[in-house]
Amino acid sequence: DVKVTQSSRYLVKRTGEKVFLECVQDMDHENMFWYRQDPGLGLRLIYFSYDVKMKEKGDIPEGYSVSREKKERFSLILESASTNQTSMYLCASSSPGRGGDTQYFGPGTRLTVL
Amino acid sequence: AQSVTQPDIHITVSEGASLELRCNYSYGATPYLFWYVQSPGQGLQLLLKYFSGDTLVQGIKGFEAEFKRSQSSFNLRKPSVHWSDAAEYFCAVAARGTYKYIFGTGTRLKVLA
Repeated sequence: DVKVTQSSRYLVKRTGEKVFLECVQDMDHENMFWYRQDPGLGLRLIYFSYDVKMKEKGDIPEGYSVSREKKERFSLILESASTNQTSMYLCASSSPGRGGDTQYFGPGTRLTVL
Repeated sequence: AQSVTQPDIHITVSEGASLELRCNYSYGATPYLFWYVQSPGQGLQLLLKYFSGDTLVQGIKGFEAEFKRSQSSFNLRKPSVHWSDAAEYFCAVAARGTYKYIFGTGTRLKVLA
């Protein structure tokens, strides 16, 4: 079974703190993604990475950065957390293949910024 | 621009009743199509996907979906809903040859005992 794990299920931080969200996948997938999920807005792509040390901005990258030093690990960084970054964050991974890339998701991290 | 519409925000059905969740997409060519389910507090689990071939796709948990090119739709169905199906369901599309998904805004399913 594909397994995508996220370091925390729930996280509470204060405004201005630096926040790290970690994601690890065990299927040797090339692609990894970070989404945020908000009610009524569905999932929105923040960043994705198609290889180690490679990254591309998604639809809402402002206020976020990412790091991918190893193939299995993809970190989302909030340099200075703000209350409007309170959300559910979902990590996913996929591997290029015939017929498209199926994304596999982690359980999510619910982040609250006070 | 590509888009995905799930017109129903909430749906309530009785246990044992049939279910259909709607998904319409806007895209110039036939995309890859997916349905995911999210149980409360959980990540997304893939229910089924369509890449090519037979337009009726079978998935896990007794779900199926039918791709209708003429209607740009990929509706999810289940003949008899169980209480454990209460969850949020997301339709997603991806352009062929890319790894970027576009998600719908989700449909929350409530099941009455």
